Amino acid sequence: DTAVSQTPKYLVTQMGNDKSIKCEQNLGHDTMYWYKQDSKKFLKIMFSYNNKELIINETVPNRFSPKSPDKAHLNLHINSLELGDSAVYFCASSQVGAGITGELFFGEGSRLTVL
Amino acid sequence: AQKVTQAQTEISVVEKEDVTLDCVYETRDTTYYLFWYKQPPSGELVFLIRRNSFDEQNEISGRYSWNFQKSTSSFNFTITASQVVDSAVYFCALSERNRDDKIIFGKGTRLHILP
Repeated sequence: DTAVSQTPKYLVTQMGNDKSIKCEQNLGHDTMYWYKQDSKKFLKIMFSYNNKELIINETVPNRFSPKSPDKAHLNLHINSLELGDSAVYFCASSQVGAGITGELFFGEGSRLTVL
Repeated sequence: AQKVTQAQTEISVVEKEDVTLDCVYETRDTTYYLFWYKQPPSGELVFLIRRNSFDEQNEISGRYSWNFQKSTSSFNFTITASQVVDSAVYFCALSERNRDDKIIFGKGTRLHILP
């Protein structure tokens, strides 16, 4: 039973399209995150939600819109995809206080390729 | 502002050699937390260890050891008697107190253990 699951795992699409990545966690955690890992493996935080409330919103283009229908789900919608959006997107979850414990539980990642 | 620097982009060593991965951090806070994560070729990110700013004791866990030195703002990770299974990208990360559980990652060091 996967703790943090993301779908799809692979996504290939054309520039200008709109796409979504879904994330679900069954760990009972209150906080969920989206991280972006580029081709050089640089891992950058994008958003975090705590119990459906947006907590962290880094300087991400507003083409990216996270949505958390409940605390077990955090989806990422991307409008007007650009070549630079190609990356692996990781969803993660944690109990409140991950900034102290460091215990982030990551999904397997969703590799987005924009052509 | 918080920053994590992993100057070594890529390291290759022969199996059974010891290897140290460097991590230097910057923070203005007096209370902060440091972490190491491992990302094996399969892609998932795995939490390895945490250290808080008040605890400068070094830690050993099997073949892994961590050396935290506040005087040099470093939190280095040593693998003793490396094995091929240690091949992965290793990330050092930092969070500051009261920063909404925001964990900032370094750019990672890709470690190759050659048989």
